[in-house]
Amino acid sequence: NAGVMQNPRHLVRRRGQEARLRCSPMKGHSHVYWYRQLPEEGLKFMVYLQKENIIDESGMPKERFSAEFPKEGPSILRIQQVVRGDSAAYFCASSPPSGNEQFFGPGTRLTVL
Amino acid sequence: LAKTTQPISMDSYEGQEVNITCSHNNIATNDYITWYQQFPSQGPRFIIQGYKTKVTNEVASLFIPADRKSSTLSLPRVSLSDTAVYYCLVEGAAGNKLTFGGGTRVLVKP
Repeated sequence: NAGVMQNPRHLVRRRGQEARLRCSPMKGHSHVYWYRQLPEEGLKFMVYLQKENIIDESGMPKERFSAEFPKEGPSILRIQQVVRGDSAAYFCASSPPSGNEQFFGPGTRLTVL
Repeated sequence: LAKTTQPISMDSYEGQEVNITCSHNNIATNDYITWYQQFPSQGPRFIIQGYKTKVTNEVASLFIPADRKSSTLSLPRVSLSDTAVYYCLVEGAAGNKLTFGGGTRVLVKP
């Protein structure tokens, strides 16, 4: 059973471009979470999704950030018009419907030039 | 959300036992205590979870006193590969939104 997959592992964007980060949860997991981690800091919750629904987006910046988890395919975290402050590691986690343990992916490291 | 406080860093040597204490004075009745481990350039990994008293698994033990205002993660006989950041989290039963603090950087020396 493969773990949580994230791609790309590293992403470089110039200011003003768009960044798309993908997350494939573990098999059988229908809950997906996105976190952001700045250097030397702990992870910060961004958004919690179930298939086709956003359950909690209280950690998402109000502008430029969006997330989706379609019926088919991976979850996508989209950052429009990236700025240097968006440079961070973005982690995705998934959990099964009946459990609360979250399994994390390896992360995507976004660098904005 | 209950806030946690844990030491910023700890040094240890191979073969020693490492104990990391976390304070969570505002823990709620239905909150669980969970510890995660994170290696550089990797996502956090679940270590152990408990509600009260003592929990033990193949990796660690978790001690929780009766008032539940603190907890201690115990790593027996650490090795160099246990060098990592350890996070103490306090979450409700639903656990939908994990709140990570700064964590404790454990450095295991040879």
